[in-house]
Amino acid sequence: KAGVTQTPRYLIKTRGQQVTLSCSPISGHRSVSWYQQTPGQGLQFLFEYFSETQRNKGNFPGRFSGRQFSNSRSEMNVSTLELGDSALYLCASKRTVLGEDTQYFGPGTRLTVL
Amino acid sequence: GDSVTQMEGPVTLSEEAFLTINCTYTATGYPSLFWYVQYPGEGLQLLLKATKADDKGSNKGFEATYRKETTSFHLEKGSVQVSDSAVYFCALDNPMEYGNKLVFGAGTILRVKS
Repeated sequence: KAGVTQTPRYLIKTRGQQVTLSCSPISGHRSVSWYQQTPGQGLQFLFEYFSETQRNKGNFPGRFSGRQFSNSRSEMNVSTLELGDSALYLCASKRTVLGEDTQYFGPGTRLTVL
Repeated sequence: GDSVTQMEGPVTLSEEAFLTINCTYTATGYPSLFWYVQYPGEGLQLLLKATKADDKGSNKGFEATYRKETTSFHLEKGSVQVSDSAVYFCALDNPMEYGNKLVFGAGTILRVKS
């Protein structure tokens, strides 16, 4: 079974631009979560989607947004990029059945803002 | 809110040494607990998990026991190898939190010397 895939793997943008990252979950997984990883703040939860609905959101500004499509694929968008947005963005998927509690992570997208 | 505290690193050990990485948590209710590992340039891989008090998770020689009385989930391995060098993250998922959201510790860098 294929794992979680994320595209692109690397991105370089300049301040003020916007960026869209994509995540394809494991087949059959309907929950997709996004995390930001930085050396200073560690791993922080951005948001989670299930059945095209955002169910939970972390403490990030409104410049960070996401969506989920009917095939469970998800995108996140960051507008008006700042230098501090440079990070590894990780996507995780999870089966939503009783007793299943494991999130499986993709390889991440490394975003560099210049 | 929920939180996870891990011992500071880096931890440097010689091959075949015994490993302990401490992890304690604060959460309401009964969270599931996880250890994830991250190798350089990669995403997170699930190492082991435990979903209720006194459960022991184990994988690849690593073990951790869910101790509710001490709110701990310490990671141990009897004999480390150079290939175990990585960053280890303790995390919790609280079923009382709507949606799927992992709360991570800061991570512990492990370096194993031959």
